[in-house]
Amino acid sequence: QQQVKQSPQSLIVQKGGISIINCAYENTAFDYFPWYQQFPGKGPALLIAIRPDVSEKKEGRFTISFNKSAKQFSLHIMDSQPGDSATYFCAARHKAAGNKLTFGGGTRVLVKP
Amino acid sequence: DTAVSQTPKYLVTQMGNDKSIKCEQNLGHDTMYWYKQDSKKFLKIMFSYNNKELIINETVPNRFSPKSPDKAHLNLHINSLELGDSAVYFCASSQGERGQIFEQFFGPGTRLTVL
Repeated sequence: QQQVKQSPQSLIVQKGGISIINCAYENTAFDYFPWYQQFPGKGPALLIAIRPDVSEKKEGRFTISFNKSAKQFSLHIMDSQPGDSATYFCAARHKAAGNKLTFGGGTRVLVKP
Repeated sequence: DTAVSQTPKYLVTQMGNDKSIKCEQNLGHDTMYWYKQDSKKFLKIMFSYNNKELIINETVPNRFSPKSPDKAHLNLHINSLELGDSAVYFCASSQGERGQIFEQFFGPGTRLTVL
């Protein structure tokens, strides 16, 4: 049972384009929704995060949109750069379960120059 | 450097062997985690410890046993290794919320290959 579903599995975008990754969750006990970025051979690193009382959060070229009623959230990468090529994971935290993070399946993003 | 470190980075072993992976963090965090990332990149929590106390214990075979000698270290011992244990194992740490940000800091990973 996958509690956080992520799509697409992979994405190719031209330099300067917009990358969009979508996630959907089931558990209404989730209270915090981070996105992690992972480069090959490295551990994941926090990119940006949002709480369910906010509909949008923007940090530089990265924006999270959050729809609490639909239990969906998405990451938009504006003006995509070759250096953004990585695997992106959405996640959802269950604070009462020991701050447990449940990750989506990941999206491999390739930005072509 | 302040970070989460793991040893070894690569581990190649035969089926049936017992092996350990070590993790240390010098970030002063009170919670540490073990994750397994399979060949399809799926990342799943295995265990977490808070101040040496087991907090999260997911459904993993009891061949896997975490040990936390102190809050800066969390080791993972695996008995009777099986082919399906081949994966990348990540250690992570966290320290509550800081300015409404909850962040887990991940180590570089240990790639385990069971032959």
